[in-house]
Amino acid sequence: QSVLTQPPSVSAAPGQKVTVSCSGSISNIGNNYVSWYQVLPGTAPKLLIYDNNKRPSGIPDRFSGSKSGTSATLGITGLQTGDEADYYCGTWDDSLRGWVFGGGTKLTVL
Amino acid sequence: QLQLQESGPGLVKPSETLSLTCTVSGGSVSSVSYYWGWIRQPPGKGLEWIGSIYYSGNTYYNVSLKSRVTISVDTSKNQVSLKLSSVTAADTAVYYCARVEVGSGWLNWGQGTRVSVSA
Repeated sequence: QSVLTQPPSVSAAPGQKVTVSCSGSISNIGNNYVSWYQVLPGTAPKLLIYDNNKRPSGIPDRFSGSKSGTSATLGITGLQTGDEADYYCGTWDDSLRGWVFGGGTKLTVL
Repeated sequence: QLQLQESGPGLVKPSETLSLTCTVSGGSVSSVSYYWGWIRQPPGKGLEWIGSIYYSGNTYYNVSLKSRVTISVDTSKNQVSLKLSSVTAADTAVYYCARVEVGSGWLNWGQGTRVSVSA
């Protein structure tokens, strides 16, 4: 059971928008920056969002992040079939003194 | 451009020690703004952070693995190493070497190396 809670799956049609939630506690999301990762089958994770809402160079602005209290959200607009992947949130946990990840959310683009 | 390359045996016997090396090119493991770490993904499961190290040797380990994990850095070889002792089938996973900026996200990843634990 993961420290951060994500829905197992989300789905939406091409061109639509989807959000992925990540719920934690004061010791992790509440006190630290959240990052989001995309994992395509057979590939290494890719950083999509860091510091709650910043995008690394090369990540399109279709991807966005936000944080409120002890929860964070990843948003993806203009869905494409190539966005089908697993998405993970991650952050530092002050109590555990370590990094924690959510259990992952599988995105299906119908 | 920073590149990370994991290397090590793809098959380890139960109760033995898993040893992996991450060779860094295009950057230095002595960078003051970054931690280096190992993250794994068992088949069909999610990402699990194993531990992180600063170039000075300061380490943080996953509490569930702490008794079996050692992460070290060799600045002369520009490498980061992982040792996981007393492995079981539950340690079968793809192991990734990665770099994180202090307080930020894991931006740089190796391609990953698949390790199976089996007799």
